[in-house]
Amino acid sequence: GNSVTQMEGPVTLSEEAFLTINCTYTATGYPSLFWYVQYPGEGLQLLLKATKADDKGSNKGFEATYRKETTSFHLEKGSVQVSDSAVYFCALNTNAGKSTFGDGTTLTVKP
Amino acid sequence: GAVVSQHPSWVICKSGTSVKIECRSLDFQATTMFWYRQFPKQSLMLMATSNEGSKATYEQGVEKDKFLINHASLTLSTLTVTSAHPEDSSFYICSARTPGTGGNTGELFFGEGSRLTVL
Repeated sequence: GNSVTQMEGPVTLSEEAFLTINCTYTATGYPSLFWYVQYPGEGLQLLLKATKADDKGSNKGFEATYRKETTSFHLEKGSVQVSDSAVYFCALNTNAGKSTFGDGTTLTVKP
Repeated sequence: GAVVSQHPSWVICKSGTSVKIECRSLDFQATTMFWYRQFPKQSLMLMATSNEGSKATYEQGVEKDKFLINHASLTLSTLTVTSAHPEDSSFYICSARTPGTGGNTGELFFGEGSRLTVL
């Protein structure tokens, strides 16, 4: 079956530090890949996505590149802010429609 | 982007009562909605897939008689937690998929979540 493995957290960084959250996946076929962000007490919001190999998703300074050869979709940001503190979920979706989520990585950014 | 709204955002109920949570797609029609449960500091656990006009498809281990799902229209799915007990206390999140085009399955949008506390 499909699965998503995320870097374990929590991750604590100082403001303006570089962020990487690793994500690898296992899937049959050609999935679309997503990063979602969840702020405290809220639902999930789509952060970025990539639908085919070598695509790069980007939003709000975050980037992730769909690497088919390494089955990875690592999330990066060059300079984090306190407001980026949240839980980040990597996910995949196949044509069957169901999404598979990673366990989430909690990011705390300190001023 | 598309908007999915859940109501109520939080609810407290007594043990043994039933609680209904609504999930609405406000600006698109969703033939498929999903219900998840999230425990503190954990990932989302898919409970069931809600299909408009037909029975929900439940994931293994989810009691269908306990968690009743009704998808009566293309914009509304409801989750009813029947005879709730403290162990049902959790954060419940719904999502709805926009109609797909050109072979794509559409995009998934999430509700704000509903926190249930059973006393």
